[in-house]
Amino acid sequence: QPVLTQPPSASGTPGQRVTIPCSGSSSNIGSYTVNWYQQLPGTAPKLLINSNNQRPSGVPDRFSGSKSGTSASLAISGLQSEDEADYYCAAWDDSLRGLVFGGGTKLTVL
Amino acid sequence: EVQLVESGGGLVQPGGSLRLSCAASGFTFGSRWMHWVRQAPGKGLVWVSRITGDGSTISYADSVKGRFTISRDNAKNTLYLQMNSLRPEDTAVYYCIEWELGWGQGTLVTVSS
Repeated sequence: QPVLTQPPSASGTPGQRVTIPCSGSSSNIGSYTVNWYQQLPGTAPKLLINSNNQRPSGVPDRFSGSKSGTSASLAISGLQSEDEADYYCAAWDDSLRGLVFGGGTKLTVL
Repeated sequence: EVQLVESGGGLVQPGGSLRLSCAASGFTFGSRWMHWVRQAPGKGLVWVSRITGDGSTISYADSVKGRFTISRDNAKNTLYLQMNSLRPEDTAVYYCIEWELGWGQGTLVTVSS
């Protein structure tokens, strides 16, 4: 069972704004920064957001991240068909002394 | 450009061993924590192990403790994962990652008789 909690699926229509939540605890999100990863079908995950809200070079500004307390969220605005992918949140966990991931959210663009 | 290239995966019988390698380039390898993360077919991402930049601190997921060993050679910019006593449930794509910089393309490990 994943330590971080994400909804298994989300959907939206082109141009819409979608938000994916990620819930944790004081030993992970509450104490450390959150990264978000995008995994397109058949490919390796790619870093989308690091340090809660920083976009690596090349990531469109349609993607944004935020964190409050023991929860984080990923927002995608101006949804495009190429955004169809699995999205994972992750953080360091003090209790487990390792990285913890959410179970992943499959985003469908209708 | 950050590059992480895994190798060493393959088909192995239960109880067997494999050694994965990850060649890193494009960043100061010796100063970065490195991790192994795996993904079983059709499943989510699961952390396996991590090692600090100088190799002094190591930790493992409970599911692999005592069977897997992570190590690194900073002179060769290479990360390793020695996997012993492999089980069918270890079947997965194994990724080498620097969690702020990038992921490798993964190497598939299949444990089956």
